[in-house]
Amino acid sequence: GENVEQHPSTLSVQEGDSAVIKCTYSDSASNYFPWYKQELGKGPQLIIDIRSNVGEKKDQRIAVTLNKTAKHFSLHITETQPEDSAVYFCAANSPSGTYKYIFGTGTRLKVLA
Amino acid sequence: ETGVTQTPRHLVMGMTNKKSLKCEQHLGHNAMYWYKQSAKKPLELMFVYSLEERVENNSVPSRFSPECPNSSHLFLHLHTLQPEDSALYLCASSQGRTGGWETQYFGPGTRLLVL
Repeated sequence: GENVEQHPSTLSVQEGDSAVIKCTYSDSASNYFPWYKQELGKGPQLIIDIRSNVGEKKDQRIAVTLNKTAKHFSLHITETQPEDSAVYFCAANSPSGTYKYIFGTGTRLKVLA
Repeated sequence: ETGVTQTPRHLVMGMTNKKSLKCEQHLGHNAMYWYKQSAKKPLELMFVYSLEERVENNSVPSRFSPECPNSSHLFLHLHTLQPEDSALYLCASSQGRTGGWETQYFGPGTRLLVL
């Protein structure tokens, strides 16, 4: 069935270092890949997304890369800050369900000051 | 704030109780969603409404009953729940025009504990 694998499940980095979170999707027809950040006591918030017609997208310290052939996409956070500490989720849309996203299991990022 | 509000934020209920979760979106969207978020599991889509019509129902037990009276409001009615139903219930909305390409905006969730 459709699934999205996300790694690592936890990640600790020193403030100022970079963090990379990787996801793999199974349905080659998926064409939209959002990333969400969830802070304690809050719902997931969209931080960046990418569509299958581009390979990379950047927004300040955050970037996402997509490799359609390998069915991989990654989130890159540079110059990490303590406020980046949160749980990050990747997702892929499911062409079999018009409104359906398949989510990864999440990565808990800790940025150590 | 994302423009999606949920009440209550926390709820404790017994297995014989009946309660309802409420979601309201102020974004002018046409699609609304209920998700269940459990520890160490991916977000599970429960229901989707588009223009007040249910378009997705992911094999959710009948003890969960959704209601969408208009495009701004979504309810989840709960009755005779089980302890394993304890989780964070998230509401989301999207424009509802293009389906899978759309960004979904989430509310803060209702933390439910079933005793």
